[in-house]
Amino acid sequence: ETGVTQTPRHLVMGMTNKKSLKCEQHLGHNAMYWYKQSAKKPLELMFVYNFKEQTENNSVPSRFSPECPNSSHLFLHLHTLQPEDSALYLCASSQDLGELETQYFGPGTRLLVL
Amino acid sequence: DAKTTQPPSMDCAEGRAANLPCNHSTISGNEYVYWYRQIHSQGPQYIIHGLKNNETNEMASLIITEDRKSSTLILPHATLRDTAVYYCIVRVWFSGGYNKLIFGAGTRLAVHP
Repeated sequence: ETGVTQTPRHLVMGMTNKKSLKCEQHLGHNAMYWYKQSAKKPLELMFVYNFKEQTENNSVPSRFSPECPNSSHLFLHLHTLQPEDSALYLCASSQDLGELETQYFGPGTRLLVL
Repeated sequence: DAKTTQPPSMDCAEGRAANLPCNHSTISGNEYVYWYRQIHSQGPQYIIHGLKNNETNEMASLIITEDRKSSTLILPHATLRDTAVYYCIVRVWFSGGYNKLIFGAGTRLAVHP
């Protein structure tokens, strides 16, 4: 148990659906991250938030829309996804964006797009 | 970005030490070496990190060569629960004010009875 929770743990959606992934951290951290892990590919950083402000968008398509209403919650809104977007989506948090900050990961949401 | 090279898989007998190597020959002076592991269907878990000195914590030891071009993660007494993919990562500090963990393919460690 890392103090970072994600819901749902599994999600199946059609290409025309709209869904949201939720991440919550109970660690008092200020920075939060979304990563994508596709089958047979390394983890890829998608978004970085610090004190609710987005500091990084790693060339992610607009069908992925992040939202960070406060430092404890992070959402990833999904719409008109493609089958190649099927992956494990991981949320992480760290105290700050400082050079030595350790990132703590949630268990992930396994997404299947049909 | 500095890149890392790890063997794709390793085996280890339960109770023995697991020594996982990593090459990072292009590492620069201010880049840290981090190790994470990912147990099947879970998020990555932080293990240890270091700059140039050897480090030890309750989970593992990290040995970094003097030229910093390679390192070894040591799990002193491997258990079945240590079966996971182990990632060696060179952490890069971006001028935009954030860190980036660049994950590679990692080493799949199988601990067997």
